[in-house]
Amino acid sequence: DTAVSQTPKYLVTQMGNDKSIKCEQNLGHDTMYWYKQDSKKFLKIMFSYNNKELIINETVPNRFSPKSPDKAHLNLHINSLELGDSAVYFCASSPTGSLSTNEKLFFGSGTQLSVL
Amino acid sequence: GENVEQHPSTLSVQEGDSAVIKCTYSDSASNYFPWYKQELGKGPQLIIDIRSNVGEKKDQRIAVTLNKTAKHFSLHITETQPEDSAVYFCAASKPGRRALTFGSGTRLQVQP
Repeated sequence: DTAVSQTPKYLVTQMGNDKSIKCEQNLGHDTMYWYKQDSKKFLKIMFSYNNKELIINETVPNRFSPKSPDKAHLNLHINSLELGDSAVYFCASSPTGSLSTNEKLFFGSGTQLSVL
Repeated sequence: GENVEQHPSTLSVQEGDSAVIKCTYSDSASNYFPWYKQELGKGPQLIIDIRSNVGEKKDQRIAVTLNKTAKHFSLHITETQPEDSAVYFCAASKPGRRALTFGSGTRLQVQP
């Protein structure tokens, strides 16, 4: 039973399109995240939500809009896709978001987005 | 904000040898330093972590050391095995910061 599941696993689309990635966690965690991993494997935080409330928004273009309908789900909608958006997007969750207290991040298996 | 630098970017060792990956952090308030392992096609998974009040932590073949003065921490893998081949990420966090700042990753290749 997958703890953090995201769909789709692969997403190939044209520039200018709008697309969404969905994420669900069944761990009962309060905090969920979106990370972007570029072609050089660099992992960077995009957003963090705690109990449906936006906690972190790290200088991400406003074409990216996260939505958290409940604390078990955090979806990512991207408008007007650009070539530079091509990357692997990882959803993650943690119990309370207090990562400096040894809380563990649980990652999904990633969504590989390719913008042509 | 926090900056975490990681070296080397790639590391190739023979099976049975040791591997060492090093990271430095910029924010002296950081107090939690986890290491994640990412296998091909999967998300990163926590393998070991250390808090700033501890200098060293060991779990079987892996160990992490922390030098707070130098703002430097390292991952040590002994008796490497082919299944250790993966990308390893160091990270840092501090109180009140609700996210991890990751290093740039090290691709470890263990040659059989």
